[in-house]
Amino acid sequence: GNSVTQMEGPVTLSEEAFLTINCTYTATGYPSLFWYVQYPGEGLQLLLKATKADDKGSNKGFEATYRKETTSFHLEKGSVQVSDSAVYFCALSDSGRRYSSASKIIFGSGTRLSIRP
Amino acid sequence: NAGVTQTPKFRILKIGQSMTLQCTQDMNHNYMYWYRQDPGMGLKLIYYSVGAGITDKGEVPNGYNVSRSTTEDFPLRLELAAPSQTSVYFCASSPGEGFEQFFGPGTRLTVL
Repeated sequence: GNSVTQMEGPVTLSEEAFLTINCTYTATGYPSLFWYVQYPGEGLQLLLKATKADDKGSNKGFEATYRKETTSFHLEKGSVQVSDSAVYFCALSDSGRRYSSASKIIFGSGTRLSIRP
Repeated sequence: NAGVTQTPKFRILKIGQSMTLQCTQDMNHNYMYWYRQDPGMGLKLIYYSVGAGITDKGEVPNGYNVSRSTTEDFPLRLELAAPSQTSVYFCASSPGEGFEQFFGPGTRLTVL
């Protein structure tokens, strides 16, 4: 079945450091890929997405490229800020198909990121 | 638009009590979902719905029930609460399969 594996946390970095959070997936067909962010005490919100191979999603300085050859969707940011401290979830969804019980968004287990001033 | 709203924000239940977690969305989305998030863990799908009158079980449906009488509302019912149901519950909606999901702020439930 479909699955998402992401880097275990917690990840602790200093402000202005480079960030990479790894995410790989297993899926049949052509899933859409997402990164969601959960700030303390809040629900999840979409950070970025990519719907086909080689697409790059970007938002708030974060980027991720849909790599079909390596089945990966790693999240990167060139210079993190204290305000980026949150839990990040990689997720996939089958798209473009009629509804079936197997077609739902699959979330990874989340990676907690803490940024030191 | 308010998006996805959930009530209550917090609740403490005694073992064996029942309650309903409310979820409403004003985006006219057909798809709605209930997840639970245990401390330090990811999301587990409890139930979902693809439209009014249609619901189906997710990964962890035992101990819960849902109904979907309108497009806007998707309440989650807990019967005979157990300590294992202590969790944060998130409702989400989506315009369709494969699209992003929009999440509510969550309900933190403790069963003692």
